[in-house]
Amino acid sequence: GAGVSQSPSNKVTEKGKDVELRCDPISGHTALYWYRQSLGQGLEFLIYFQGNSAPDKSGLPSDRFSAERTGGSVSTLTIQRTQQEDSAVYLCASSSAKGTHVDNEQFFGPGTRLTVL
Amino acid sequence: DQQVKQNSPSLSVQEGRISILNCDYTNSMFDYFLWYKKYPAEGPTFLISISSIKDKNEDGRFTVFLNKSAKHLSLHIVPSQPGDSAVYFCAASSYYKLTFGKGTLLTVNP
Repeated sequence: GAGVSQSPSNKVTEKGKDVELRCDPISGHTALYWYRQSLGQGLEFLIYFQGNSAPDKSGLPSDRFSAERTGGSVSTLTIQRTQQEDSAVYLCASSSAKGTHVDNEQFFGPGTRLTVL
Repeated sequence: DQQVKQNSPSLSVQEGRISILNCDYTNSMFDYFLWYKKYPAEGPTFLISISSIKDKNEDGRFTVFLNKSAKHLSLHIVPSQPGDSAVYFCAASSYYKLTFGKGTLLTVNP
């Protein structure tokens, strides 16, 4: 069975440009998370989707960041007018989220390394 | 304010010896704790977890200990193997959210 996939694996962009990062979760997983790992830092929660519920956007660092999840599956994280401090590895994770902590185990994709010049 | 802290950025041990990775947390609402392992250019993978109602969980060479009164947990790897060399992240859960520490780079020398 396929795991979580993300594309592109690497993205280099110029300051001020918009970027879109894609995440394909494990089939059947209803919960999807985006995290960011900046150099020397831990994983920083960005946003959480669960089924048809309103997403938890509390971790998005600014209004330049947005994410959507179409059809309850694929998710896109968009960063508008990128800044150099946006450079990081962006990780996506999914879980079956059936209620118990064991079912909430998150499976991570390989990440997208974003470099803003 | 960091709610999950891994104060050792790196640890080096000899093959066959014990590796002990430490983690401290501040939020009493955390009720589940996890360790993830990360190799370069890969996403983190789940290693072992422990519920806040327990003080020890063992899985093969990996044991996690939880001291709730001290808000401290540790991961023991015995015996350590070169393939264990990776970054280890401690994470704490409150419902669906995971809060991660900054990670500890473990190097196991042959």
